[in-house]
Amino acid sequence: DQQVKQNSPSLSVQEGRISILNCDYTNSMFDYFLWYKKYPAEGPTFLISISSIKDKNEDGRFTVFLNKSAKHLSLHIVPSQPGDSAVYFCAASAGYGQNFVFGPGTRLSVLP
Amino acid sequence: DSGVTQTPKHLITATGQRVTLRCSPRSGDLSVYWYQQSLDQGLQFLIQYYNGEERAKGNILERFSAQQFPDLHSELNLSSLELGDSALYFCASSANLDETGGNTEAFFGQGTRLTVV
Repeated sequence: DQQVKQNSPSLSVQEGRISILNCDYTNSMFDYFLWYKKYPAEGPTFLISISSIKDKNEDGRFTVFLNKSAKHLSLHIVPSQPGDSAVYFCAASAGYGQNFVFGPGTRLSVLP
Repeated sequence: DSGVTQTPKHLITATGQRVTLRCSPRSGDLSVYWYQQSLDQGLQFLIQYYNGEERAKGNILERFSAQQFPDLHSELNLSSLELGDSALYFCASSANLDETGGNTEAFFGQGTRLTVV
């Protein structure tokens, strides 16, 4: 049973436009959420996180939105750049010091 | 560079053999996590150690074991290897966690690509 879901395996966006990656979770105990970016043959790279006490966190071109009632979060990338093309993983943890549960990932392609 | 070092980067071995993967966490990080990624699948959590003690266990096979040493480096031991164990194995570390500090992100190493032939 997948606790963290990313229902879109892939997404294509034009350079300069907004990329929106979605993530849903089922475990109501999750209180910390993260997004990672992964290039082939490399380890995941941390992008941005959000605590359950917030509904938005912004870092440069990246913004994460959290809707606790819907158990949904999204990552917005504005403007999208070709270098953003990668697999994006959503992850969640329940309580401090707990392990991170990852979604299956969404492959983002930003077209020039 | 995440500060997490994994060795070796590549490993090719035969079925039935035993291998050890090594991870050095970022300086000062007490938590170490091991994940498996098979064939462009998601990251499957295997096991977590915190300051030398096992903290959480995920989908780790009985043929696999891990430990974290006093210097905080960790090793993942895979034995009686099967073809299906071929995968990328990632180690990650995160900072010292306490109830006041809350949770923090994990930083990943470059992974060890294991090929079982």
